[in-house]
Amino acid sequence: SSGLTQDPGVSVALGQTVRITCHGDSLRGYFANWYQKKPGQSPILVMYGKNNRPSGIPDRFSASYSGSTASLTITGAQAGDEADYYCNSRDSSGYFFGGGTKLTVL
Amino acid sequence: QVQLIQSADEVKKPGASVKVSCKASGFNFNSFSFSWVRQAPGQGLEWMGWIDSNNRRSEYSRKFQGRVTMTTDTSINTVYMELRSLGLDDTATYFCGRGGDSPDYWGQGTLVTVSS
Repeated sequence: SSGLTQDPGVSVALGQTVRITCHGDSLRGYFANWYQKKPGQSPILVMYGKNNRPSGIPDRFSASYSGSTASLTITGAQAGDEADYYCNSRDSSGYFFGGGTKLTVL
Repeated sequence: QVQLIQSADEVKKPGASVKVSCKASGFNFNSFSFSWVRQAPGQGLEWMGWIDSNNRRSEYSRKFQGRVTMTTDTSINTVYMELRSLGLDDTATYFCGRGGDSPDYWGQGTLVTVSS
């Protein structure tokens, strides 16, 4: 079935590592993209495909997969990483987003 | 540099239509598809569809099928999204993105407010 599930909120201490997860049956057949979204700003693609970073995205960001779960890992979280993060994938009926995870950097 | 410049914010009555434009520059327009997503106030991102600027092939979210049309004008490197029969719950910021599978550049967003 369509649908990607994300935890509503996650927190991380400054400089520590955090993993944001995305669950969905479609992830068994399709890779996910990850977007960072701050209020009043346009989305920023931070990871796509198996584990690809667009130019300009620091290597603190990485992606991984296990079964029906995709994960975005931020190593050494910085204050500027505080944002909403959305996973995005597709199935036979089209693309869709997860509900988003609000990352708080403490 | 890659730029996607969207049209100005709009205010519409329920039942009306809106057409948002997205003008691209800094890359070969004909080599890319374009996606549209929206974000209602306080809500998450919602995928609406995409269109291939080269062959005009498009794919729409089932939620918007029959109510949305995406088009391109390659002569002016512009992609359009028209949404019809607007309801109050269509109030949102609409974004165009370069790419169909994993859009990498985005417009600044166009706020469409539906109000009676």
